[in-house]
Amino acid sequence: LAKTTQPISMDSYEGQEVNITCSHNNIATNDYITWYQQFPSQGPRFIIQGYKTKVTNEVASLFIPADRKSSTLSLPRVSLSDTAVYYCLVGDINTGFQKLVFGTGTRLLVSP
Amino acid sequence: SQTIHQWPATLVQPVGSPLSLECTVEGTSNPNLYWYRQAAGRGLQLLFYSVGIGQISSEVPQNLSASRPQDRQFILSSKKLLLSDSGFYLCAWSALTRRSGANVLTFGAGSRLTVL
Repeated sequence: LAKTTQPISMDSYEGQEVNITCSHNNIATNDYITWYQQFPSQGPRFIIQGYKTKVTNEVASLFIPADRKSSTLSLPRVSLSDTAVYYCLVGDINTGFQKLVFGTGTRLLVSP
Repeated sequence: SQTIHQWPATLVQPVGSPLSLECTVEGTSNPNLYWYRQAAGRGLQLLFYSVGIGQISSEVPQNLSASRPQDRQFILSSKKLLLSDSGFYLCAWSALTRRSGANVLTFGAGSRLTVL
């Protein structure tokens, strides 16, 4: 399983764009990258998933360089409600099962 | 649509007492099921995962056990709780379908266990 490394914490202000980078140097060919958001006393929830280049949905963008050894979650114009812990996971979605292990995550604090 | 139910939401138990946390999934069949634990201020630790009825894999040695008596039911148990078992327990499911986001985890609301 590819191990992931993220910054422990980040600070931002309302309205700014936030980019959180995750390193996964030993990512395998069939591995996809998935990001989750967790608020206190709740389970993580899915944000975005991608394999290469760029993926965008209504809440975030995911940038993956050609070598796929890292990925960047981009949150446009964050608000106070984006204060949470963000996790990146790497796993093979082409098999019937994947043991999904979370790293330490990045604690994002958005201030007024 | 798929839903996941987890109960009880909160539990306070004395050391040495038994534990049973239950999780059920609706709206899907043959899901992969997971139990995670999160200690206060810490990350998520994978405890058990299951790919089918009666098939349980354990990630860490501990006094907890898991069972999957039915396709969409996952139970976390202990015969004698330790203080170190306190934490936030999360059940999750995933499925290999593109429509749902392959191998994307969907979590329950969690069960907060305090062992005194």
